[in-house]
Amino acid sequence: DQQVKQNSPSLSVQEGRISILNCDYTNSMFDYFLWYKKYPAEGPTFLISISSIKDKNEDGRFTVFLNKSAKHLSLHIVPSQPGDSAVYFCAASAEGNQFYFGTGTSLTVIP
Amino acid sequence: DAGVTQSPTHLIKTRGQQVTLRCSPKSGHDTVSWYQQALGQGPQFIFQYYEEEERQRGNFPDRFSGHQFPNYSSELNVNALLLGDSALYLCASSQLAGAGWQPQHFGDGTRLSIL
Repeated sequence: DQQVKQNSPSLSVQEGRISILNCDYTNSMFDYFLWYKKYPAEGPTFLISISSIKDKNEDGRFTVFLNKSAKHLSLHIVPSQPGDSAVYFCAASAEGNQFYFGTGTSLTVIP
Repeated sequence: DAGVTQSPTHLIKTRGQQVTLRCSPKSGHDTVSWYQQALGQGPQFIFQYYEEEERQRGNFPDRFSGHQFPNYSSELNVNALLLGDSALYLCASSQLAGAGWQPQHFGDGTRLSIL
């Protein structure tokens, strides 16, 4: 049973434009959400997180939005850069327990 | 400051064999988690170790076992290997003490291929 879902396997965006990556979850007990970026042949790199007490967290070009009623979170990258091209995973945890990962979205930023 | 290191990078085994993968956590981290990432999938949680004890376990059979040493490093052991065990095995470390919300830091993984 996939508790965290990323329904878009891939996304292409022009350099300088906004990239929006989406993630849905089913477990209402999740209280901590993260986004990871993964380049080929490397492990996932932590990007940004948000707790369930917030609905937005911003770090430079990256902003994560959380809509608890819809059980949906999204990652916005503005402006997108070619170096942002990677696979992005969202992950969720309940009360400090194990993390559940989505299947990833491959982002390509076109120069 | 070294991050999470895993060894070996790649490994080829045959069905029925046993394998041991190793992980050294990021400096200052006391908790190690192991994940299996099959092709085209996200990482799947295997188990987590803290204070040399298995703290949590995902939905993996007993063929998967682990260990954590006093220096916080960890091993993942898989017995009676199956073709379906072919995957990237990721180790992640974090600091449990202080709890709250803590991101995990990942190593680059061990690519295990079963022939």
